[in-house]
Amino acid sequence: NAGVTQTPKFRILKIGQSMTLQCTQDMNHNYMYWYRQDPGMGLKLIYYSVGAGITDKGEVPNGYNVSRSTTEDFPLRLELAAPSQTSVYFCASSRGGTSYEQYFGPGTRLTVT
Amino acid sequence: AQTVTQSQPEMSVQEAETVTLSCTYDTSESDYYLFWYKQPPSRQMILVIRQEAYKQQNATENRFSVNFQKAAKSFSLKISDSQLGDAAMYFCAYFGNEKLTFGTGTRLTIIP
Repeated sequence: NAGVTQTPKFRILKIGQSMTLQCTQDMNHNYMYWYRQDPGMGLKLIYYSVGAGITDKGEVPNGYNVSRSTTEDFPLRLELAAPSQTSVYFCASSRGGTSYEQYFGPGTRLTVT
Repeated sequence: AQTVTQSQPEMSVQEAETVTLSCTYDTSESDYYLFWYKQPPSRQMILVIRQEAYKQQNATENRFSVNFQKAAKSFSLKISDSQLGDAAMYFCAYFGNEKLTFGTGTRLTIIP
């Protein structure tokens, strides 16, 4: 199992550009999450999904969109990138039910200039 | 909303000694889960230990153990026989209502 994979690993965007961060898991997990981690801080939840076709906002959803058309994939879309979105982005998944352990991808470092 | 507080931004410990990292949380729920995650310089988030709130017994994983005080809403991590590979950021996290809430982390330095 590859676990949770994220692409790209690094990206530099200009202000106003858009991009999609990809996240795929091969563990057949129902739950998937997107977090951002600003320097020196903990992770903050952007969006999450409890299954294909179901998504919900987390703590910091503004400026982002998600979709969940399959169990495996949970892409995060940034529209009109702003410097405040410079961060490290982590995708995670969990089986759900009585198993709450989240498995994290390696992260994507995004810089908006 | 749940909050998680880690009041020690940085800690250091001599190699082979024991160190305790503090964490408190705020919740009105009775059933929840608590976690400690380790983030080394590689940036990968690694689960260290988990605790179910309904269990009174403190969780232990090899050199890592917790002191879970439910009434006080406290969840500290004890690392015994510290090793150089333990150097990392450590995050306390609360899971409830399908979401994980993280503290701001404690940077642990191991002194050879």
